[in-house]
Amino acid sequence: SQKIEQNSEALNIQEGKTATLTCNYTNYSPAYLQWYRQDPGRGPVFLLLIRENEKEKRKERLKVTFDTTLKQSLFHITASQPADSATYLCALGQRSGNTPLVFGKGTRLSVIA
Amino acid sequence: EPEVTQTPSHQVTQMGQEVILRCVPISNHLYFYWYRQILGQKVEFLVSFYNNEISEKSEIFDDQFSVERPDGSNFTLKIRSTKLEDSAMYFCASSERGTSTEAFFGQGTRLTVV
Repeated sequence: SQKIEQNSEALNIQEGKTATLTCNYTNYSPAYLQWYRQDPGRGPVFLLLIRENEKEKRKERLKVTFDTTLKQSLFHITASQPADSATYLCALGQRSGNTPLVFGKGTRLSVIA
Repeated sequence: EPEVTQTPSHQVTQMGQEVILRCVPISNHLYFYWYRQILGQKVEFLVSFYNNEISEKSEIFDDQFSVERPDGSNFTLKIRSTKLEDSAMYFCASSERGTSTEAFFGQGTRLTVV
């Protein structure tokens, strides 16, 4: 069966450290992988998109990697801040534009000052 | 910055009643979606809409659900006869070119069925 696993339900780190979140999937062949941030009671907010032929993408303090052999994406937040505390969702997208994003359950990150 | 707007933000309804959730997607986007999120669970796909018709729907999107784009700007989700298990946050989203581009989500409608 198809699965998307974000293997930490919750992650606590000290301010200033790098947070690393993992997204593993099985029985999917995504063409795109996206990461979103979700705050309590709010809609997901897009952060980064990486394509299957890309290994790494960066945006300011954020970095995402995509390994289609391992079927895994890693999402890094460097120099983490308490304001980074939120739930982070990974989402897989197929090549066909009509096929919807499929979301993992998310990892709740808490950055402690 | 363009945004997806949803109304109402909260809706409480009696079981068996019909509800309509409304969304205004971003104007130049071509793909529209409804997702829902039951409290503490993951964001689940309901339906996608492209070129004025449903392009894909999940098992959740049964005969009780329908979507419309009545006037070229609004995008609505109707639940004909609500059940207790329909209680959730409902998110509308739009994107320019499907999953190869970012999806913009609205702030959601919290539906409570009593």
